[in-house]
Amino acid sequence: DAKTTQPTSMDCAEGRAANLPCNHSTISGNEYVYWYRQIHSQGPQYIIHGLKNNETNEMASLIITEDRKSSTLILPHATLRDTAVYYCIASIKAAGNKLTFGGGTRVLVKP
Amino acid sequence: DTAVSQTPKYLVTQMGNDKSIKCEQNLGHDTMYWYKQDSKKFLKIMFSYNNKELIINETVPNRFSPKSPDKAHLNLHINSLELGDSAVYFCASSQTRQGGYGYTFGSGTRLTVV
Repeated sequence: DAKTTQPTSMDCAEGRAANLPCNHSTISGNEYVYWYRQIHSQGPQYIIHGLKNNETNEMASLIITEDRKSSTLILPHATLRDTAVYYCIASIKAAGNKLTFGGGTRVLVKP
Repeated sequence: DTAVSQTPKYLVTQMGNDKSIKCEQNLGHDTMYWYKQDSKKFLKIMFSYNNKELIINETVPNRFSPKSPDKAHLNLHINSLELGDSAVYFCASSQTRQGGYGYTFGSGTRLTVV
């Protein structure tokens, strides 16, 4: 799996959009970008994933650059409940693949 | 109805004891995992079973032995517990064809070895 690099922490204001960057410059053509988050003391929760097109669901949007070397997770209207550690993971979609979690970005949403 | 349930939620035990953590999923997934999250908060995969067959076995002491009696259950038995085994252990499940987006995690078992 390609290595991903994320900022250690970031703050954002409640009600504003939170933009979480992730670098994956060595990503291969068949690796997807997955985002998970872990709210304090809970198990990680799937947010969104994509290969090369931008994706949107009820939780977030994922913007992947054309060269696929980086991506941004967008939480459109951050709430206090979005305070969590966010993990960006690059991995193939195949039987036996494993999700390898890095350090993630600790996001603190402030009122 | 909890999708991935682990028991117990908390486990405090003395060094040298043997303990088990149980995991059950009711999602019909064919793959189950054990992850360990240590005090530095890094999540590391330990084992993975697909249809009761061990497919991932990371560098884990052989004091740790997973057992999968069926597709819906993956238990973790730990022998001769050590202080360094203190961590939160997460069980997860997924369906092979869904790849990395299909992971559902349990709420974790906090193991404290004293």
